[in-house]
Amino acid sequence: GDSVTQMEGPVTLSEEAFLTINCTYTATGYPSLFWYVQYPGEGLQLLLKATKADDKGSNKGFEATYRKETTSFHLEKGSVQVSDSAVYFCALSLRSSNTGKLIFGQGTTLQVKP
Amino acid sequence: DTAVSQTPKYLVTQMGNDKSIKCEQNLGHDTMYWYKQDSKKFLKIMFSYNNKELIINETVPNRFSPKSPDKAHLNLHINSLELGDSAVYFCASSQGTPDGYTFGSGTRLTVV
Repeated sequence: GDSVTQMEGPVTLSEEAFLTINCTYTATGYPSLFWYVQYPGEGLQLLLKATKADDKGSNKGFEATYRKETTSFHLEKGSVQVSDSAVYFCALSLRSSNTGKLIFGQGTTLQVKP
Repeated sequence: DTAVSQTPKYLVTQMGNDKSIKCEQNLGHDTMYWYKQDSKKFLKIMFSYNNKELIINETVPNRFSPKSPDKAHLNLHINSLELGDSAVYFCASSQGTPDGYTFGSGTRLTVV
């Protein structure tokens, strides 16, 4: 079945370090891919998205490129801040689906220390 | 003006009770969802309605019953609450697959 796998957390970095959170997916069709962020005590917010192969999504200094050949959508940021500490979720949605159902990875907790 | 609002934010109740969580969206979206987030942060879809019609009903105990009186509202009623129902429940809405969801801030349900 369709699924998303993220790297295990927590990921602990110092401020201004480079961030990579790995995400790979398995899908029967052609998915749209998303990264969501959940700050402590809050709901999920859409961070970025990509709808087709080789698309790059970007927002707030975060980037992810849709790689069909490696079925991956890794999240990167060049210089993290303490305020980036949160849980990050990779997700997919099949465009062939008429339900818009999102399938989430297990989430990766990022802790950034000053 | 909150786009997707859930009430209550916190709910503590005893085993065996019946409780409801309400959700409203003012985005004009046609589709609404309920997701359950467990203690390990894993998110699993429970239900989805499109313009008041049930379109997703995952493997959820029939103690859980969603109700959508109109496309802007999706409520979740839970009968005979069990300890294992303790989780954070998120409501979300969407206007289409490529756009992703807008989530509410969640309802933390604790069953004691």
